Amino acid sequence: AQSVTQLDSQVPVFEEAPVELRCNYSSSVSVYLFWYVQYPNQGLQLLLKYLSGSTLVKGINGFEAEFNKSQTSFHLRKPSVHISDTAEYFCAVRRTSGSRLTFGEGTQLTVNP
Amino acid sequence: DTAVSQTPKYLVTQMGNDKSIKCEQNLGHDTMYWYKQDSKKFLKIMFSYNNKELIINETVPNRFSPKSPDKAHLNLHINSLELGDSAVYFCASSWAGREDYGYTFGSGTRLTVV
Repeated sequence: AQSVTQLDSQVPVFEEAPVELRCNYSSSVSVYLFWYVQYPNQGLQLLLKYLSGSTLVKGINGFEAEFNKSQTSFHLRKPSVHISDTAEYFCAVRRTSGSRLTFGEGTQLTVNP
Repeated sequence: DTAVSQTPKYLVTQMGNDKSIKCEQNLGHDTMYWYKQDSKKFLKIMFSYNNKELIINETVPNRFSPKSPDKAHLNLHINSLELGDSAVYFCASSWAGREDYGYTFGSGTRLTVV
């Protein structure tokens, strides 16, 4: 079975600062990796996903993530955050050969003025 | 033209009551899910249906009963509601065999049991 660990439960940053949200995964087989964002009182929205190929994946709202197979990580980054980026971020993994999507426990990003 | 829609958005009810939450998707997906999100934002899968067939049934009290009349609809009925059932319930959908796709989520139903 696959699993996901989000290393930080809360990340406070100031507006226009860079941010990195860390995600490690565990799986004995090939996986697809996803980042979802949940704005307050809303559902989850797909930010980006890694399927194959280039290890640097660009998503919506200026976010990007880098897949590192040797470190089994898929960290999410943004060079300059805005107040509107305040949300809960979920890393998720899914086996390529068929399984459910497994979510991490979430990271609350709070952007302060 | 909402892709995955849930009703109601908010539900406040007393302990012991029975309530239902409805979900509909217009994406043509063949698989639908119910997730429970607790106060710490942890997402726990409850059920999944593929073409009206139950394929995931996690350790959930049997007071919770899902029902899928067709592949576009998945409802959740809860009997004898308890305080611990208070949470946000999310419906999601996807295509079976499309592991690269991920899921599309509804906006959630916030259930408060008093």
